[in-house]
Amino acid sequence: QITLKESGPTLVKPTETLTLTCTFSGFSLSTSGLGVGWIRQPPGKALEWLALIYWDDDKRYSPSLKNRLTITKDTSNSQVVLTMTNMDPADTATYYCGHKGARGVIGYWGQGTLVTVSS
Amino acid sequence: DIQVTQSPSALSASVGDRVTITCRASQSISSWLAWYQQKPGKAPKLLIYKASSLAGGVPSTFSGSGSGTEFTLTISSLQPEDFATYYCQQYHTLWTFGQGTKVEIK
Repeated sequence: QITLKESGPTLVKPTETLTLTCTFSGFSLSTSGLGVGWIRQPPGKALEWLALIYWDDDKRYSPSLKNRLTITKDTSNSQVVLTMTNMDPADTATYYCGHKGARGVIGYWGQGTLVTVSS
Repeated sequence: DIQVTQSPSALSASVGDRVTITCRASQSISSWLAWYQQKPGKAPKLLIYKASSLAGGVPSTFSGSGSGTEFTLTISSLQPEDFATYYCQQYHTLWTFGQGTKVEIK
């Protein structure tokens, strides 16, 4: 059974750096073909893909946000960490992590965590 | 960057109706398109992958079609539990989501 759960601060100040952790179970990120991605959703708005890390440590970022994002994995602890620098109120959103399976899509999602950016 | 445009942004329909949602990609993505359903306060749920393959546990009232730049999601007979927002996602080059289509009760 695959599960994922996001954790991190619920409130950050403008200009601060956000660090979110995705803790997962039911699969290993050392398995060929697998990956973990981050997606966010501002209140009432659409989904936006942020970053993706593969089993072989290859990393991909949204072109519009790549200068602010870093994704890393800790395979032994079954965690993926996303950092986003220079947070702005426009970054207020629910942040999801998801399991990218061999089919290439997100078959399993975490429950999401709401991050508010405000002074 | 590959953009994906969904239409309509919202629609009203009745239980039993046939509903079609369209997704257009800014360049050919072959069949690398997925559809998700999202209900309020919940994470999205995978419905369709590779344009027309049904994900496990998804009712056969859902179907997907298309290739290249034009894709459709069809709900053949709308059920009460199908009122939700639907998103397409291309995964040919990086990932991009559409703007969503909210299916509301008429």
